[in-house]
Amino acid sequence: NAGVTQTPKFRILKIGQSMTLQCAQDMNHNYMYWYRQDPGMGLKLIYYSVGAGITDKGEVPNGYNVSRSTTEDFPLRLELAAPSQTSVYFCASSNPGQAGTEAFFGQGTRLTVV
Amino acid sequence: AQSVTQPDIHITVSEGASLELRCNYSYGATPYLFWYVQSPGQGLQLLLKYFSGDTLVQGIKGFEAEFKRSQSSFNLRKPSVHWSDAAEYFCAVGPRDYKLSFGAGTTVTVRA
Repeated sequence: NAGVTQTPKFRILKIGQSMTLQCAQDMNHNYMYWYRQDPGMGLKLIYYSVGAGITDKGEVPNGYNVSRSTTEDFPLRLELAAPSQTSVYFCASSNPGQAGTEAFFGQGTRLTVV
Repeated sequence: AQSVTQPDIHITVSEGASLELRCNYSYGATPYLFWYVQSPGQGLQLLLKYFSGDTLVQGIKGFEAEFKRSQSSFNLRKPSVHWSDAAEYFCAVGPRDYKLSFGAGTTVTVRA
């Protein structure tokens, strides 16, 4: 049982390049989330999804896009990378409503835009 | 709007000493409260959570937290700290456990 798997773990992008951060979970969770973590700022929610085909914006969605074609996968797309998107990105999943449920996090993707 | 304040950016504690991390929240209804720990280079791991019931919550690794509605607080405590507790700790609040709002985190350093 792998939990939440994120790829890649590290990436350096040039300004204006695009990339997709991959996230997959094998726990059959309905809810999935993307957060970014900046020093001294905690985690900010970028996008979330409550099920396949359903996504919604979080606090800081500008510059990002997501899709949810399957329950397992929730990729995050950066179309035109900017230095302000240098951050650590975390994907998480959960199943609210079940007793004792919690959000499970991946190990993160450290992205640097130069 | 929901929000979390962790007043202490960095705490240094001696091994074997007690630890208390502060968390204050703002939330319009009965909150769901969480403490997560992040070791260097790792993702976040849930330490404990509060939904309802007993206001003193026990978690993993010997941690506990107390919910105080009158003070809008959810402070995390550990009676005796181990070197392996050096990490960053995040308090979070939200409805159930999605769309959580996180505090800025408290970094704990443990000295021998």
